[in-house]
Amino acid sequence: GESVGLHLPTLSVQEGDNSIINCAYSNSASDYFIWYKQESGKGPQFIIDIRSNMDKRQGQRVTVLLNKTVKHLSLQIAATQPGDSAVYFCAEIPKSFKTIFGAGTRLFVKA
Amino acid sequence: DTGVSQNPRHKITKRGQNVTFRCDPISEHNRLYWYRQTLGQGPEFLTYFQNEAQLEKSRLLSDRFSAERPKGSFSTLEIQRTEQGDSAMYLCASSIFSGGSPGELFFGEGSRLTVL
Repeated sequence: GESVGLHLPTLSVQEGDNSIINCAYSNSASDYFIWYKQESGKGPQFIIDIRSNMDKRQGQRVTVLLNKTVKHLSLQIAATQPGDSAVYFCAEIPKSFKTIFGAGTRLFVKA
Repeated sequence: DTGVSQNPRHKITKRGQNVTFRCDPISEHNRLYWYRQTLGQGPEFLTYFQNEAQLEKSRLLSDRFSAERPKGSFSTLEIQRTEQGDSAMYLCASSIFSGGSPGELFFGEGSRLTVL
């Protein structure tokens, strides 16, 4: 079936550097794409979303880029902090409004 | 705390026993979702409700699983005749669905099931 996947299972960055987490999706009919952050022992937490008719959206220290041509989604975190260490999931929402999650990327921030 | 509440947080049971999890969503949210998550994987969709109506149930869900949301508020997820493969974190989430936007999901901290 359709799925959302991730290129890299882990990413290690130095504190203060920018982080880029990538995701490939396969369902071109999805209306929304979302990034969630999950810390150990907690449920996923919404970070930012982007509608399929957009290619870029910025939040506080985060930017999501959507490239529909190659079905690619990325999350950029500026000035990465130790508190950003977590697992990041990309997710897509097709017309059924059921959120479909990918497998996740673990981000390690080195002090 | 007005977030999504799940209980019990941890449940250890023997194979063949029944278990029930409860989720109390954020009060004004009309949608409620159940997901299952195993180690290293993303949450896997199980089912969701809009108010008291169960709108979709995953084809991966066997008939041993049943969920209810009787009054459109809290929900229960029951697993009958548990198997070791049912061991996972069961996550509940709620959202406001307004028709024009799916709305972000607000997750609880999950109920971890261990089947011995």
